[in-house]
Amino acid sequence: EAGVVQSPRYKIIEKKQPVAFWCNPISGHNTLYWYLQNLGQGPELLIRYENEEAVDDSQLPKDRFSAERLKGVDSTLKIQPAELGDSAVYLCASSRFSTGELFFGEGSRLTVL
Amino acid sequence: KNEVEQSPQNLTAQEGEFITINCSYSVGISALHWLQQHPGGGIVSLFMLSSGKKKHGRLIATINIQEKHSSLHITASHPRDSAVYICAAAHFGNEKLTFGTGTRLTIIP
Repeated sequence: EAGVVQSPRYKIIEKKQPVAFWCNPISGHNTLYWYLQNLGQGPELLIRYENEEAVDDSQLPKDRFSAERLKGVDSTLKIQPAELGDSAVYLCASSRFSTGELFFGEGSRLTVL
Repeated sequence: KNEVEQSPQNLTAQEGEFITINCSYSVGISALHWLQQHPGGGIVSLFMLSSGKKKHGRLIATINIQEKHSSLHITASHPRDSAVYICAAAHFGNEKLTFGTGTRLTIIP
């Protein structure tokens, strides 16, 4: 069974540029999470989906961040425009249900210059 | 005060030692997750538990719901156990996850 797939693994952009990250969860997993992880810190939730519905996006900076999971399968997280402080690892995770075991992708490391 | 606190923040031990990492939480939970993250690597789920004790190989996780405390134990530690160990509490009712800041474990050969 394939795990959670994220791309790109690494991205370097200049500030004010847009960037997008893609996540394909494990097949059959209804719950999808996007997390931000700064160096030496634990993951911080950006958004949680149950199927195609965003059930918790309270921590998503909506002025510059957006996310979608149109068909309840794969998901895209976008930042436009990126700021220096957005440099971090963006992690995608999925679980069969919101109460289930978590499976994480390898993460997308963003560097904003 | 953070809702989920881990101790110690850093732990260095000799190969073969018995390791204990602690996690205390202040919210009502439906489950407690233990996760492992190797340097530069992704996060792997080790355990998800809501009561009692679970064992997988050399790893043991326990939880005391009344005391709102969980521990992760590693027996016969090995250098490959060197990683950051993170606990995460799933809030009862909305299943929101709150993560601890992690314990960085280094096992010296």
